[in-house]
Amino acid sequence: ELKVEQNPLFLSMQEGKNYTIYCNYSTTSDRLYWYRQDPGKSLESLFVLLSNGAVKQEGRLMASLDTKARLSTLHITAAVHDLSATYFCAVEKRGAQKLVFGQGTRLTINP
Amino acid sequence: EAQVTQNPRYLITVTGKKLTVTCSQNMNHEYMSWYRQDPGLGLRQIYYSMNVEVTDKGDVPEGYKVSRKEKRNFPLILESPSPNQTSLYFCASSLSSGRETQYFGPGTRLLVL
Repeated sequence: ELKVEQNPLFLSMQEGKNYTIYCNYSTTSDRLYWYRQDPGKSLESLFVLLSNGAVKQEGRLMASLDTKARLSTLHITAAVHDLSATYFCAVEKRGAQKLVFGQGTRLTINP
Repeated sequence: EAQVTQNPRYLITVTGKKLTVTCSQNMNHEYMSWYRQDPGLGLRQIYYSMNVEVTDKGDVPEGYKVSRKEKRNFPLILESPSPNQTSLYFCASSLSSGRETQYFGPGTRLLVL
């Protein structure tokens, strides 16, 4: 059974600092997605990672995928308040069109 | 505007009263899916559909039904709702499964008394 775990689940950080959110998964997959959710809102796609070693960057966010370690990271550089949100990773089960989400990481960035 | 719409956005109902949550997309997407979101559990997939008349169970299908008679619509049916189905529901669609990002609807908040 595919399990997806994120850590930390809660993260409070100061503006200007760097930090990383980790997404581990339990069975082989080479398709991983990152989403952002603002309070009371829907989910917004951030990154699609489709192969080992894939790296995507958008502004202050950078995501990477290591399929051998079954690990993806979402790195935040020089955080700003606008990045405060809950971040989810989701992994597609190989051979099935099912998506399994992590629990989410609630990120709060303080001025 | 490309979008996924859901109706209703908010619903309060009583145990056992059948209800349908509609989902529609205007992007000609083949893949559609339903999720429920509960605190501390993230999102869990209920059902998904690869194309018209092709549906399959996700991880938490018990108590739900779906149908896909048209490409754009993917309604979620609760034939006999129970309080444990109180949740926030999201519909999502993508061009195909596997390589494309999913676009999410605005969500439907359901309370079953």
